[in-house]
Amino acid sequence: AQKITQTQPGMFVQEKEAVTLDCTYDTSDPSYGLFWYKQPSSGEMIFLIYQGSYDQQNATEGRYSLNFQKARKSANLVISASQLGDSAMYFCAMREGRLLTDSWGKLQFGAGTQVVVTP
Amino acid sequence: SAVISQKPSRDICQRGTSLTIQCQVDSQVTMMFWYRQQPGQSLTLIATANQGSEATYESGFVIDKFPISRPNLTFSTLTVSNMSPEDSSIYLCSVEDLVGREFTDTQYFGPGTRLTVL
Repeated sequence: AQKITQTQPGMFVQEKEAVTLDCTYDTSDPSYGLFWYKQPSSGEMIFLIYQGSYDQQNATEGRYSLNFQKARKSANLVISASQLGDSAMYFCAMREGRLLTDSWGKLQFGAGTQVVVTP
Repeated sequence: SAVISQKPSRDICQRGTSLTIQCQVDSQVTMMFWYRQQPGQSLTLIATANQGSEATYESGFVIDKFPISRPNLTFSTLTVSNMSPEDSSIYLCSVEDLVGREFTDTQYFGPGTRLTVL
């Protein structure tokens, strides 16, 4: 079964506007971590933001914030004030298990959302 | 985070040949991984590269097709053997747990190797 679901294959957003990328996940493990990565056309994977399942507050990193709704099992990425350089594929990923134990699992990726920022 | 480089950045190869991809990190790391990203697809983990021992392969990937070496804590290679057009993909290495630094649960990726097999 799909562990990470990104339902938006592609999105257009105007420069300076905010955009929300959806991500839902499926796990029965109470311990897990959620990640967002950006992949420009060059192919590199750039780490953006991380949210742990026990974190009380939503993660923020500059223009990136993660809207973590644990009961709904969603971890949406919000990019504020979009820039042309934000055009890329965005991947949501999850790792299950407890950090620093043998249960800490592999990184599992969603299908990705292609974002195009227009002037 | 660590600085990760991969060589080559891209290559075009003939079917039946093999290509070795190198991953170099500027810091010692505990964990190194190799991923494949087929065109238009998400990332799939090929294997975990273990220092001084055989790699741990994921279901669907075998050592004969994707031999991996990891001679030390900063370097690993992935070979794509007996290539076919289906092997055309981006191959990425990733690292985590920098030795001597506080553990973080984040994987950092190299720039990728874009492989086309004719």
